[in-house]
Amino acid sequence: DAKTTQPPSMDCAEGRAANLPCNHSTISGNEYVYWYRQIHSQGPQYIIHGLKNNETNEMASLIITEDRKSSTLILPHATLRDTAVYYCIVRAPGDNMLTFGGGTRLMVKP
Amino acid sequence: KAGVTQTPRYLIKTRGQQVTLSCSPISGHRSVSWYQQTPGQGLQFLFEYFSETQRNKGNFPGRFSGRQFSNSRSEMNVSTLELGDSALYLCASSLPVDGPYRTGELFFGEGSRLTVL
Repeated sequence: DAKTTQPPSMDCAEGRAANLPCNHSTISGNEYVYWYRQIHSQGPQYIIHGLKNNETNEMASLIITEDRKSSTLILPHATLRDTAVYYCIVRAPGDNMLTFGGGTRLMVKP
Repeated sequence: KAGVTQTPRYLIKTRGQQVTLSCSPISGHRSVSWYQQTPGQGLQFLFEYFSETQRNKGNFPGRFSGRQFSNSRSEMNVSTLELGDSALYLCASSLPVDGPYRTGELFFGEGSRLTVL
């Protein structure tokens, strides 16, 4: 079973911020929160990861709650090319046996 | 820097045949993992190889096997194909863990789409 819970789908207007939530209430102390996205029929693309501090890179920001039981991926200015399935995963360093849930299908609309 | 390369990208087989898929990891990456993606089951872990040794294996029958070569390239094989083996097979590679900021994140290839008729 997946260790994370995400809404199955979300819509976002082009140019607006997309905020994708993820619950991971059973996360362990050494597990990181990772986000990947998969554009139709392509391989999952790494977006960002974090342990307990908020993180930002050129693609997105990751906000992790203080108790680490949930997080939010923020795409600051969504474009049509951000339409994809977004997966939130918890993972211990070096653990490559990832458990993917159903993810959130983000639809960015003009 | 070249990404993870998978070949072939598309292939069609018939039931009972076998198939071999190839994966070349990112240069310097020694760990290779394989995943199967189907509409019904989503993304599922198949197995992981590190330094030519299988390190982990998912819950798949023995018809699914793999290996890794000394140059870190990996192959997976599915024998006696069934209709349900039709899927996108994804390979991912990663660096070893090194400190709090290099946690060995996985980088995926574009996949090999197998259709079994």
